[in-house]
Amino acid sequence: KAGVTQTPRYLIKTRGQQVTLSCSPISGHRSVSWYQQTPGQGLQFLFEYFSETQRNKGNFPGRFSGRQFSNSRSEMNVSTLELGDSALYLCASSLEGRGYEQYFGPGTRLTVT
Amino acid sequence: AQSVTQPDIHITVSEGASLELRCNYSYGATPYLFWYVQSPGQGLQLLLKYFSGDTLVQGIKGFEAEFKRSQSSFNLRKPSVHWSDAAEYFCAVGGDTNAGKSTFGDGTTLTVKP
Repeated sequence: KAGVTQTPRYLIKTRGQQVTLSCSPISGHRSVSWYQQTPGQGLQFLFEYFSETQRNKGNFPGRFSGRQFSNSRSEMNVSTLELGDSALYLCASSLEGRGYEQYFGPGTRLTVT
Repeated sequence: AQSVTQPDIHITVSEGASLELRCNYSYGATPYLFWYVQSPGQGLQLLLKYFSGDTLVQGIKGFEAEFKRSQSSFNLRKPSVHWSDAAEYFCAVGGDTNAGKSTFGDGTTLTVKP
């Protein structure tokens, strides 16, 4: 089976802009979670989608949003970018999401200048 | 609230030596425990997982981990380290009460000396 894919792999944006990142889960996986990884804060949970519904959400401002499509592909959007949003954004998929192991994509490296 | 502590930020071992990476967790219900490895600029690869049953679990690349409920620990071990094992290792806890969310430790960076 193909693994989790994320596009784009690298992105450079300017403060105030918005960005959309995409994630395609492993075939058959219905749960998609997003994480932000930074050197200072480590891996932090953003949100999780299952069957097009957000089931869980981390402690991030409303500028961070996401959605999931009927084919389980997911997108996350960050509006009004700040310098502190520079990070590696990781997407993870799992069969169901509740306790199942997660499989991670390679991530999208976002740099905000 | 769930949390994970990896007490060692950085560990250096010689190639061929044994390895143990420590992990302590806090979770209110039955924990599901994971170890992941991350190479620079890459995503996380699952090494092994514990859900229930035998407390000693085997994973990929020759790694194993032991779940000790009394100590709230899930330490990762490898009997003989290879230079290619140099990476960052993350312990994580999840559960069926928190959909899609794993809580990760801060990671342990492993350096392998020739």
